[in-house]
Amino acid sequence: QLVLTQSPSATASLGASVRLTCTLDSGHNSFTVAWHQQQPEKGPRFLMKVDHDGSHSKGDGIPDRFSGSSSGAERYLTISSLQSEDEADYFCQTWGSGIWVFGGGTRLTVL
Amino acid sequence: EVQLVESGGGFIHTGGSLRLSCAASGFTFSSYAMTWVRHSPGKGREWVAVVSGSGGMTYYADSARGRFTISRDNSKNTIYLQMNSLRAEDSAIYYCAKVMVRGVIFRLFDSWGQGTRVSVSS
Repeated sequence: QLVLTQSPSATASLGASVRLTCTLDSGHNSFTVAWHQQQPEKGPRFLMKVDHDGSHSKGDGIPDRFSGSSSGAERYLTISSLQSEDEADYFCQTWGSGIWVFGGGTRLTVL
Repeated sequence: EVQLVESGGGFIHTGGSLRLSCAASGFTFSSYAMTWVRHSPGKGREWVAVVSGSGGMTYYADSARGRFTISRDNSKNTIYLQMNSLRAEDSAIYYCAKVMVRGVIFRLFDSWGQGTRVSVSS
């Protein structure tokens, strides 16, 4: 069964960096995932897709502060130079066998 | 710039019907598959249905199959979700989303709308 696992919350300080993790189940550890950001009371925004080899391609207008990487079944989203507007829910997505699945999302708090 | 604007949400009694719409702009609409995704506190984010660019192919999540119908009108750059026999567990914010790759159904999403809220209660 295709499953994406994320920690429910993360906290980091203004100006610091944070790495968020999305873990694929062992049977699908080569899959590509997308990272999306959802700020409070807004629709989601596509940030980037991250392949199994760590290559990533970002959506239009996504700042250089956002980057992606990969290790085994884990897909990472790293945000550097954190700003207050980065406080949001970050969730990952993938697809397979005719369905799409989403991670539970990580609520990022910027102190 | 891609824009997706949902409408049609609201409060409905259990067993009732509702039709959601999503108006799109900023891209060659008929070339891209479009989907509906819902988000509720209890179930998280859940893919609901997808329609191909031509409208000829549709796929549904198990929770939607038989009760919901996705369709599109390429002359109006709009997709629809007809929801029948609504249940309390269908309560969620419903988002439309655009599939990333032209001419392909099963790929990641690269654009989302702002959502429309559906509340189902007896």
